[in-house]
Parts: sequence; structure tokens; C-alpha cells
Amino acid sequence: QKEVEQNSGPLSVPEGAIASLNCTYSDRGSQSFFWYRQYSGKSPELIMSIYSNGDKEDGRFTAQLNKASQYVSLLIRDSQPSDSATYLCAVNWGGSTLGRLYFGRGTQLTVWP
Amino acid sequence: DAGITQSPRHKVTETGTPVTLRCHQTENHRYMYWYRQDPGHGLRLIHYSYGVKDTDKGEVSDGYSVSRSKTEDFLLTLESATSSQTSVYFCAISADSGLRNYGYTFGSGTRLTVV
Repeated sequence: QKEVEQNSGPLSVPEGAIASLNCTYSDRGSQSFFWYRQYSGKSPELIMSIYSNGDKEDGRFTAQLNKASQYVSLLIRDSQPSDSATYLCAVNWGGSTLGRLYFGRGTQLTVWP
Repeated sequence: DAGITQSPRHKVTETGTPVTLRCHQTENHRYMYWYRQDPGHGLRLIHYSYGVKDTDKGEVSDGYSVSRSKTEDFLLTLESATSSQTSVYFCAISADSGLRNYGYTFGSGTRLTVV
């Protein structure tokens, strides 16, 4: 059973704070990890991908991967009200999965002014 | 969204009627997927395709069929629509080459209501 679990939320932070979103996955063989942002009524949008252990930074976003702990996180620094959305963690198991991603159920983030 | 379009964007249909949703891509990606998204369930895979005429079932395929006669088009058919199929349907494409997975690009979605 391939499972992707996210902290249930909702998560509420003040403007300017750091938002921390967490995700665990069940398969040690997982190879590719993604964070998607989904605004209400819109489709998911890819914001970060990470493939190796450590941190990957892109602007105010940092993805962190720890394969030994089967854990991936997303940090949003200097959070803005425009970051209010649902964030989906997705994992690709590689091998014969034909590119398929497995998604968590998402964490809803609200950034209040 | 650039490179992938879904049609229609909204549809209301009656119980028992067949419905076809279309996904069209201009990226020449091999893999295409149909998901439904419902509150409390997240994204659930209905069917996927790994090439022309090559399709397979996902976790919630009952009551759905798909066809892919061209690389660019992936059709989802609800054979006899039921109220439980009221949902938002997303198509996605993937450029996975087997060497590295670059994730999905999603279409804008189709909001389907079965009355």
C-alpha cells in the first residue's frame, strides 16, 4: 500500500511568519517528490520538486527531503496572504509506476494579515 | 493551462446519460491521467494512459472508461452518469522519461454535476 500522509491542518499563520508543511511516505524506494499549490476552485500547480536528500530553495520556498526518515517538508518564509491555499505533497515511486504520482490529501494554509 | 486543455469546463447532466470529457495536450507527453477530486478524499486516480491505445485502471475506475487514439487526446466517458460521479475532474500529463520524473501538469478541470 503506497501512502502519502500530510499534517491534517488547517494551518493558520500570521503574515510574515514561516509556514511549515510536512509529509511522510510509506515506500523507501521513492525517488521523486513534489509540492503542489491549489487555490480554491483552481487546479494544482507545481511549485517545488526535490530528488535528493537535503534542502532545495526557490525564492521564499524551501523543500527539505530526508529519505532515511521518509519525510519531506515545505517551508514558506515571509508568508503572504496570497500563499493561502491547499498544499499537496506528491511522491513518485519510480520503477514501473509509469510516471504516476501518489498524492496526500493536502494541508490547507491560511495566512492572515 | 499552457499545453493542456480540458473540455467542457462545466457540465450539468442527468442521471443515466453518458458523458464524455476531453483532455487535449500539445506537449507530446507520453503519460496522461484522469483524476477526480472530492472533499475529504483528495485526488483519486480513475484511469491513466502510457501511450496510444495503452490504458489502465486506477483506484476508482468503476463506471468510467477511457480511450486514447492519438497522443494528444485522452477521453474519459461516464457510461451512465450517477449522482456519486458529481465531482471535479482533472486531467494531467507527465513527461516522465524513466530517467527523471518531472511531475504533472494539470488541466484546468471540469466541474461535473449529475442531477
